[in-house]
Amino acid sequence: GAGVSQSPSNKVTEKGKDVELRCDPISGHTALYWYRQRLGQGLEFLIYFQGNSAPDKSGLPSDRFSAERTGESVSTLTIQRTQQEDSAVYLCASSLTTGNYGYTFGSGTRLTVV
Amino acid sequence: KNQVEQSPQSLIILEGKNCTLQCNYTVSPFSNLRWYKQDTGRGPVSLTIMTFSENTKSNGRYTATLDADTKQSSLHITASQLSDSASYICVVSALGGANNLFFGTGTRLTVIP
Repeated sequence: GAGVSQSPSNKVTEKGKDVELRCDPISGHTALYWYRQRLGQGLEFLIYFQGNSAPDKSGLPSDRFSAERTGESVSTLTIQRTQQEDSAVYLCASSLTTGNYGYTFGSGTRLTVV
Repeated sequence: KNQVEQSPQSLIILEGKNCTLQCNYTVSPFSNLRWYKQDTGRGPVSLTIMTFSENTKSNGRYTATLDADTKQSSLHITASQLSDSASYICVVSALGGANNLFFGTGTRLTVIP
């Protein structure tokens, strides 16, 4: 597609439920990043995918968080047993390579845990 | 430690006025620096990107400067418009590595009529 697409745009869930967030990167982009942005705060790195290489999961805050990506296509970020502190905007970005140009962000998924 | 600091944290200006946002970084080895604009409820959108050898880059009413020696960058907005109200995020890339993007916490700009 023309841009990075994320769905859903908004998600309200009850504490303890699992949620799955989706990111469709720009076609051909091999690198894909997930970030979390809490209200009024900066972007927090979560996980990075590059082609078929093992992902960099160093930013995942707990074992409740996991992400998958099949090849160079769609990625899903799963949060199990959601907690109120998981409430944030989850942003996905993609780029052509691990080079440092052309990162494009999606509009994010606003997650609210009640 | 790789860090990016932005100032001011927030700024309110009158429509039509100019303003300058600051970004200081300690990221090394430096690859490039980008300024993003993030409207409320939207993802960040790239405004400018500068490498080590570039001192100035413009994008319409936005002009970014980079001093790689002092590790400082600024984003100057000329003749501000109401639509400039947003958060402006400075992002510095380091050479190599997977998680090589370092984000500032942003400056929240509000332009009032």
